[in-house]
Amino acid sequence: EVQLLESGGGLVQPGGSLRLSCAGSGFTFSNYAMSWVRQAPGKGLEWVSAINGGSSVIYYADTVKGRFTISRDNSKNTLYLQMNSLRAEDTAVYYCAKDQGVAGSSKRTFDYWGQGTLVTVSS
Amino acid sequence: EIVLTQSPATLSLSPGERATLSCRASQSVSTYLTWYQQKPGQAPRLLIYDASNRATGIPARFSGSGSGTDFTLSISSLETEDFAVYYCQQRTNWPLTFGGGTKVEIK
Repeated sequence: EVQLLESGGGLVQPGGSLRLSCAGSGFTFSNYAMSWVRQAPGKGLEWVSAINGGSSVIYYADTVKGRFTISRDNSKNTLYLQMNSLRAEDTAVYYCAKDQGVAGSSKRTFDYWGQGTLVTVSS
Repeated sequence: EIVLTQSPATLSLSPGERATLSCRASQSVSTYLTWYQQKPGQAPRLLIYDASNRATGIPARFSGSGSGTDFTLSISSLETEDFAVYYCQQRTNWPLTFGGGTKVEIK
């Protein structure tokens, strides 16, 4: 059974940093691209960042480019999101999501999602 | 950036009725359009990919259609568990974008 478990959320002051983690199990983690998607309270979904299985291809939304860094450690089956220079508008539930495509063929469609971790940016 | 516009924002229907949700793209996305369902307090769930393909385990009452810029998600006969928010997402271009969502509520 595919499982994704996020951690690392919490309350942080504006300008602060936080690192989110997402532990994957039940599938060959290194074979799949992964993404972070966020959802502000009461709002819709916003894609944040994506990384391919080998970490050679990375994309970011313009709203986080230069402040957030996505990475992964395939030996630990874990996806990360380093978030720096946080702003109030970054407050959201952050989901990690598994790409539907197999073995290097990203479909940019998400077939499994974690339960999310809440990041609150406030003084 | 491709903008996806979903309509209506809210759909009030009774169980057993048919639901028709729309997603319009600001430019052609071919058939690279995905639908997700999200219930309160839960993560989104994949329903339909590539415009018309049901994901694993999705009931046949859910169907998707469309190509280019206009897409439709239909629920043939609403069950109580189908009352939720539905999002479309395009995978044609980066950045990936989602529509604003359609809430299907019980009338």
